[in-house]
Amino acid sequence: NAGVTQTPKFQVLKTGQSMTLQCAQDMNHEYMSWYRQDPGMGLRLIHYSVGAGITDQGEVPNGYNVSRSTTEDFPLRLLSAAPSQTSVYFCASSYAFGTGELFFGEGSRLTVL
Amino acid sequence: AQSVTQLDSHVSVSEGTPVLLRCNYSSSYSPSLFWYVQHPNKGLQLLLKYTSAATLVKGINGFEAEFKKSETSFHLTKPSAHMSDAAEYFCVVSDGRYGGSQGNLIFGKGTKLSVKP
Repeated sequence: NAGVTQTPKFQVLKTGQSMTLQCAQDMNHEYMSWYRQDPGMGLRLIHYSVGAGITDQGEVPNGYNVSRSTTEDFPLRLLSAAPSQTSVYFCASSYAFGTGELFFGEGSRLTVL
Repeated sequence: AQSVTQLDSHVSVSEGTPVLLRCNYSSSYSPSLFWYVQHPNKGLQLLLKYTSAATLVKGINGFEAEFKKSETSFHLTKPSAHMSDAAEYFCVVSDGRYGGSQGNLIFGKGTKLSVKP
């Protein structure tokens, strides 16, 4: 079972570049989300989706875009990377919104120079 | 409004001694509470959950937590620490509502557990 797969695991960008972090799950989960993790700040929600075609903003959505065209995939796009977006990004999914039982990917470490 | 406070950012214990990681919460509704564990360079994994059934909840790897409504606490314990328990632990609160910028879950800032041989 693959679970939640994130790519790439590591990425270095220059300020102003754009990129997409990929997230795919094979558990037929309706709920998917993106978090960023910064030292001493826990996890902060960027965007989430309760099903295909439905997305919503989290706590820190600025500078990020998402779409959910299929149940399996939930890519996160950085439109114009900034050093403040240097972080570790986690994708997480759950069979339904509100269960709290999230399955996490292994993370994508992004550095913006 | 919901909030969660992990009272210690770092806890250090010796192998074989008890573990106590403290978590206090605030919620306007009947909350669900969770503990997650994150080993170095890995994603988070659910350790245990409380969803208004038994107040003493048992999780994986010998961990358990007790929901105390009067104290608004959900502390994580383990009778005997193992070297493999060294990780970061996150307390999470959810009140089950849809929407809002938190997307329903609030994560604590984490407690790093070190285990000395």
